[in-house]
Amino acid sequence: QSALTQPASVSGSPGQSITISCTGTSSDVGGYKYASWYQQHPGKAPKLMIYDVINRPSGVSNRFSGSQSGNTASLTISGLQPEDEADYYCTSYTTTGTLVFGIGTKVTVL
Amino acid sequence: QVQLVESGGGVVQPGRSLRLSCATSGFIFSNSAMHWVRQAPGKGLEWVAVIFNDGRTKFYADSVKGRFTISRDNTESTLYLQMTTLRVEDTAVYFCAKEKDGGWYQFDFWGQGTLVSVSS
Repeated sequence: QSALTQPASVSGSPGQSITISCTGTSSDVGGYKYASWYQQHPGKAPKLMIYDVINRPSGVSNRFSGSQSGNTASLTISGLQPEDEADYYCTSYTTTGTLVFGIGTKVTVL
Repeated sequence: QVQLVESGGGVVQPGRSLRLSCATSGFIFSNSAMHWVRQAPGKGLEWVAVIFNDGRTKFYADSVKGRFTISRDNTESTLYLQMTTLRVEDTAVYFCAKEKDGGWYQFDFWGQGTLVSVSS
């Protein structure tokens, strides 16, 4: 199972919006509505930011939003803040009963 | 509050075995599917395995299939990962993760991770 495709890095200034894409196939992202997004700060465990494509867990800022079109899921961070600087990973359930992660995107706040 | 605490990591030679544990509390363990996810030093996250709450249904990543076995003890609220025939490329921090209620293969709680280093 190949990793989902994400941009290696995305950057933005405080207050700006950025979008991270996550491209898979019809056997994973495109076949289900189970895409999720995790934020990971250095040396820390990942934190769930978006699940089931568009849903935010309790406690996650509404500056984070998710969407999906075909085989591509996307995470948008609005009103970028310094604490948003982290690595972001998408995931999707697959037709083989496994889970695949994206390669990860490093978000830099300029 | 929900807690997941991994243990059992360490330094091991290639070809040897190691068993990881993940002690949990703060939720009804027997109701939750549980996963292992790993992260090689400086690399991205890689899903390893899942065990459903019944303890019978399991799936593995191709990279570990046939070498790793996931199991659980619902009476002790503990998750395990038996790793055999370890390879250098298995070196990673191993996280256990709780599947979110109603969140298929999506994780609302993670442990802090335990480091496995495979080296001669």
